[in-house]
Amino acid sequence: DVKVTQSSRYLVKRTGEKVFLECVQDMDHENMFWYRQDPGLGLRLIYFSYDVKMKEKGDIPEGYSVSREKKERFSLILESASTNQTSMYLCASSSQMNTEAFFGQGTRLTVV
Amino acid sequence: QKEVEQDPGPLSVPEGAIVSLNCTYSNSAFQYFMWYRQYSRKGPELLMYTYSSGNKEDGRFTAQVDKSSKYISLFIRDSQPSDSATYLCAAIFGGGADGLTFGKGTHLIIQP
Repeated sequence: DVKVTQSSRYLVKRTGEKVFLECVQDMDHENMFWYRQDPGLGLRLIYFSYDVKMKEKGDIPEGYSVSREKKERFSLILESASTNQTSMYLCASSSQMNTEAFFGQGTRLTVV
Repeated sequence: QKEVEQDPGPLSVPEGAIVSLNCTYSNSAFQYFMWYRQYSRKGPELLMYTYSSGNKEDGRFTAQVDKSSKYISLFIRDSQPSDSATYLCAAIFGGGADGLTFGKGTHLIIQP
């Protein structure tokens, strides 16, 4: 059974904190993605990675960075959390052919 | 331009009815099309994916793609209350590193 695991289901952080969201996949997938999901806006791509140490900006990268030191792990970093980054964050992975993507359970982040 | 349009609903139907969920897209370069089901506070779960035009069936679910009209459909036969969820369509170019482009999701309610 395919598995994408996000380290936390719920997080509450303070404005200005540095926040790390972790994602691990066990499918040996080349591609990994971070999305955020907001009511009325749907899922929006923040960053993705197609190989270890490689990263590409998605549609809304501002205020975020990512790290991929190992193939199975992809981290999203909020350098200085702000209230407008309160959202549901979803990690996904796909094979090199990129025909289908599998999602984790999501991390609901609240910045106060 | 990468856009996928989807009516947010809610769509409410009686148990046992046939459900039709639809999306349109603008970029003819999309090759793979996916349907995800998302329950409240959970990550999206991949239901089906199709390549190019045509139909694909899996149990009570049928996915249909018409590339000539840029139209994506998901049909659910013999709908059950457990089918109540948000359904997301998505499209991707495929064959390389790129994120999925999602519709905003249709909230489906199956009335017992």
